[in-house]
Amino acid sequence: TQLLEQSPQFLSIQEGENLTVYCNSSSVFSSLQWYRQEPGEGPVLLVTVVTGGEVKKLKRLTFQFGDARKDSSLHITAAQPGDTGLYLCKATDKLIFGTGTRLQVFP
Amino acid sequence: DAGVTQSPTHLIKTRGQHVTLRCSPISGHKSVSWYQQVLGQGPQFIFQYYEKEERGRGNFPDRFSARQFPNYSSELNVNALLLGDSALYLCASSLALAGFYNEQFFGPGTRLTVL
Repeated sequence: TQLLEQSPQFLSIQEGENLTVYCNSSSVFSSLQWYRQEPGEGPVLLVTVVTGGEVKKLKRLTFQFGDARKDSSLHITAAQPGDTGLYLCKATDKLIFGTGTRLQVFP
Repeated sequence: DAGVTQSPTHLIKTRGQHVTLRCSPISGHKSVSWYQQVLGQGPQFIFQYYEKEERGRGNFPDRFSARQFPNYSSELNVNALLLGDSALYLCASSLALAGFYNEQFFGPGTRLTVL
């Protein structure tokens, strides 16, 4: 069974801090997606990364796909309370989600 | 345009009962997938349907079944409910089989509690 392990599992920080969330697997993926899920809602797609080594930026969020396409990271600069939520990586074609990272940003 | 809709929003059942959850995809989307999300964890894939045919199944027991109707809406059925079936059940729709070229859009989910 392919697994996507995310770390950390929980993250509680103050507004303005930087953070990085990791998504790791022993398998190679053709592409990987990152989602954010807020309470009472379904996950919402943030980005898809396809090429090994690819870096994509979405405002204060930076996503990177590992060179070997087995891992990915999400870096948030100057976190804001609106960033609070459950962050999930997903192997696009396998419909497998990661274990999730719950982020809480306090004002 | 309406997004993915699911009904009911919340449901309470007792062990051994049966439940049916419903999903209406975005207009024009022909694929529906179902996921189970236990509190605090990532969603786990249950089924994918495309053009009314099952095109993928996750590691769930036969108590779980689903179908897709001619209008592309879908039902997820769970028989002989167990306490461990308590979870948020998410439905996602996509234009065709979910993948890089076909983004999945998720509904708000149905919260099932089994007592």
